[in-house]
Amino acid sequence: EAGVAQSPRYKIIEKRQSVAFWCNPISGHATLYWYQQILGQGPKLLIQFQNNGVVDDSQLPKDRFSAERLKGVDSTLKIQPAKLEDSAVYLCASSYSPVAGGNNEQFFGPGTRLTVL
Amino acid sequence: SQQGEEDPQALSIQEGENATMNCSYKTSINNLQWYRQNSGRGLVHLILIRSNEREKHSGRLRVTLDTSKKSSSLLITASRAADTASYFCATDDFNKFYFGSGTKLNVKP
Repeated sequence: EAGVAQSPRYKIIEKRQSVAFWCNPISGHATLYWYQQILGQGPKLLIQFQNNGVVDDSQLPKDRFSAERLKGVDSTLKIQPAKLEDSAVYLCASSYSPVAGGNNEQFFGPGTRLTVL
Repeated sequence: SQQGEEDPQALSIQEGENATMNCSYKTSINNLQWYRQNSGRGLVHLILIRSNEREKHSGRLRVTLDTSKKSSSLLITASRAADTASYFCATDDFNKFYFGSGTKLNVKP
């Protein structure tokens, strides 16, 4: 079974530039998550999709971050404009969870390491 | 702030010893999960314990959950150098998912 795919693996940009990350979840997984992990900290949930609907985006800085999951499969996360404090690893995860709050493990992709200069 | 907080922040032991990590959380949960993260394999799910369960085993792992104290512990028995990693608890309170700050475990050969 193929895992969660993410691209790019690394990205270096200047502050105020834009950047986009892509995620392809495991086939058949209804739930998709985007996390931000700052060095030395645990992952922070940015947004959770159930199919193509948003379940939770309470910690997404909506003035600069946006995410979409068209057709309920792959997803993109965008930052526009980027700030220095956005430097982090952005992790995508998926789980089978046919309903929100289901008891399912999350499978993580390798992440995208973003450096904002 | 994040829901789950692990204790200790760092732990260093000899191979063969047991390692115990604790997690405390703040609100009612649906389930609690433990994950491992190392540079080689990224974040990997270890074990899930439901709110109506008190103890669960998986290989060398033993997880306990005390919902009255809002705490969980992860015990790794007979540790190996390959267990060196960061360990995170993650709480699912039905619609919101929170990771703790993690425990860095170093197992010395």
